[in-house]
Amino acid sequence: AQSVSQHNHHVILSEAASLELGCNYSYGGTVNLFWYVQYPGQHLQLLLKYFSGDPLVKGIKGFEAEFIKSKFSFNLRKPSVQWSDTAEYFCAVDTGRRALTFGSGTRLQVQP
Amino acid sequence: ETGVTQTPRHLVMGMTNKKSLKCEQHLGHNAMYWYKQSAKKPLELMFVYNFKEQTENNSVPSRFSPECPNSSHLFLHLHTLQPEDSALYLCASSQGIDRGSGNTIYFGEGSWLTVV
Repeated sequence: AQSVSQHNHHVILSEAASLELGCNYSYGGTVNLFWYVQYPGQHLQLLLKYFSGDPLVKGIKGFEAEFIKSKFSFNLRKPSVQWSDTAEYFCAVDTGRRALTFGSGTRLQVQP
Repeated sequence: ETGVTQTPRHLVMGMTNKKSLKCEQHLGHNAMYWYKQSAKKPLELMFVYNFKEQTENNSVPSRFSPECPNSSHLFLHLHTLQPEDSALYLCASSQGIDRGSGNTIYFGEGSWLTVV
């Protein structure tokens, strides 16, 4: 069965620090990969997605993620976080066998 | 504005009540979903509908009953719920369910349900 693991449950950073959130999935076939963000009191929004091609994907607000097939990983990165990046981040995988499967989320707290 | 509208935003119900959650999407999509979001747990897929037909039921208890009268509307009928069913229920939609088309799922703001 497909599954998604986000090992960092709660991350606290100071503004301007670099961010990397881990995401690993378990599925041996072709996948589409997503990162969603949920700002406090708001709905889940798409941050970026990977379908094919360049494994380094750039999304909104300066976020990027790299798909490393050999490691079954799709880590999210941002070189310099801002207070407004405080949110919960969810990784998700679409294998085509069933609907989107989400990880348990990582709560990011950015301190000014 | 997400293109996916859910009502009510907040609902408190007793264990013997019957209530319904409503979802409407204005994106012209063909697939609709119900997800459950509980504290400290992954988003749980509950149901998937594609062109009004249910394509996935993720072993959801029968006290949750979905209804999809058309591709734009999705309901979740609730009956004799338990306190542990208290959660945020998210509706979502996508163009289709075929991974090959690179579908992106768009979420509503959710309905906060409290069962007392």
